[in-house]
Amino acid sequence: DVKVTQSSRYLVKRTGEKVFLECVQDMDHENMFWYRQDPGLGLRLIYFSYDVKMKEKGDIPEGYSVSREKKERFSLILESASTNQTSMYLCASSLHQTGGTEQYFGPGTRLTVT
Amino acid sequence: QKEVEQDPGPLSVPEGAIVSLNCTYSNSAFQYFMWYRQYSRKGPELLMYTYSSGNKEDGRFTAQVDKSSKYISLFIRDSQPSDSATYLCAMKSTDKLIFGTGTRLQVFP
Repeated sequence: DVKVTQSSRYLVKRTGEKVFLECVQDMDHENMFWYRQDPGLGLRLIYFSYDVKMKEKGDIPEGYSVSREKKERFSLILESASTNQTSMYLCASSLHQTGGTEQYFGPGTRLTVT
Repeated sequence: QKEVEQDPGPLSVPEGAIVSLNCTYSNSAFQYFMWYRQYSRKGPELLMYTYSSGNKEDGRFTAQVDKSSKYISLFIRDSQPSDSATYLCAMKSTDKLIFGTGTRLQVFP
C-alpha cells in the first residue's frame, strides 16, 4: 500500500510565524505535490516537484515555498503565515510514468492561522 | 468560468439507490478523467480513471466520459451507507490535475 504521511493533522499558528509542513511518501515516487483545499474552491495546486531539488509553481504559489532535499520528503513552507492561509493542506505523490494522473494523498493538515 | 464545474450537493439518497454524479468542463485538451473519493477528515483516494470517451466499469461503479459534450459522470449502483463521502472529479491538463469542487453524497439506511 502506498503511504503518504503528513507531520501534523492539526496545527494552530500565529500571524507572521514561519510554518513548516512536512510530507513523506514510502513508495519511491518521483512526483510530489502540495495542494490546499477550501470550501467552494476545491483543491488548488500550490507547488509540485518532479525530482529531488526540483520544484515547479502551481496555480497559487504566492506566500509559499517548498523544499525537496530527499526523494521521499517534500516540505511546504509558509514564510510569514497570514490568516488567509488558514486551510486544509494536502500532500500527494505519484509515479513519474503515470504523468501525475494517479496521485496518492496524505490525510491532510488542517492549519489555522490566528 | 471555471475549467471544471461540479455541483456541490449535498445529495442524499436511500440505500440501494442508483447515484449519478456529474462534472462539466471547458478545456477540450483534457485527456485523462478521474474520480476521487474523500471521506470526512481524510485525503482523497483515486476511485477510477479513464482516458477515452465511453464507459468504464469497476464493480458497482461506472465512469462515463462524453468528450463531445465535455461531460463526465460517475454512477454508483446499489449505493451503500459506506459510499457516503465527497466525490471529486479531476482532469489532466499537461502536467497537472484540475479538480472539481466535489459533490457531497449521503446514503442513508
